[in-house]
Amino acid sequence: ILNVEQSPQSLHVQEGDSTNFTCSFPSSNFYALHWYRWETAKSPEALFVMTLNGDEKKKGRISATLNTKEGYSYLYIKGSQPEDSATYLCASNNAGNMLTFGGGTRLMVKP
Amino acid sequence: EAGVAQSPRYKIIEKRQSVAFWCNPISGHATLYWYQQILGQGPKLLIQFQNNGVVDDSQLPKDRFSAERLKGVDSTLKIQPAKLEDSAVYLCASSLGRSGRAISYEQYFGPGTRLTVT
Repeated sequence: ILNVEQSPQSLHVQEGDSTNFTCSFPSSNFYALHWYRWETAKSPEALFVMTLNGDEKKKGRISATLNTKEGYSYLYIKGSQPEDSATYLCASNNAGNMLTFGGGTRLMVKP
Repeated sequence: EAGVAQSPRYKIIEKRQSVAFWCNPISGHATLYWYQQILGQGPKLLIQFQNNGVVDDSQLPKDRFSAERLKGVDSTLKIQPAKLEDSAVYLCASSLGRSGRAISYEQYFGPGTRLTVT
């Protein structure tokens, strides 16, 4: 079983601030790294799936980078908005389709 | 495209009672997963089905939890008898699970069932 860690556990920012979170995962037998956004009472929503070292993906104000050699990924949010408030989960899978999730980063954006 | 459906959305039971959750995956998705997410922790895989066969149930507490996927489509997860520590959100997810590309392993989640055991 993989050990996936996320930090920080929670984060409070003001509207307009930019922020970033970290996901660390075992680099051996790496296959893919997934980021999900989970709003309260809704389904977790897939943000990115990343497989290549050095990969960088962007969706609107959210972007993510991947370093498979050292086993970490960063998620960035530029100019946070209250609607960005959610729990951000990362998950790693190794040569298969079983995902191991980190504990999540809970983001709260104050207007 | 319809998403993953789950019911009920919320359930409150007393300890030692039984409870069942239902999941209908996205049409055509061969792989179905059940996760348990305890407050403050990430989702933990309980069981994974490929069509109607079990691929991985190593983290399923088999003395009280059971799951089935009849005809390789819908699935039910049952807890009997429930304990206080079973209070959690139970998430169902599905994926295509057929090709070697990472995107085909992308899992689509239902809204979950929030279980409270008192």
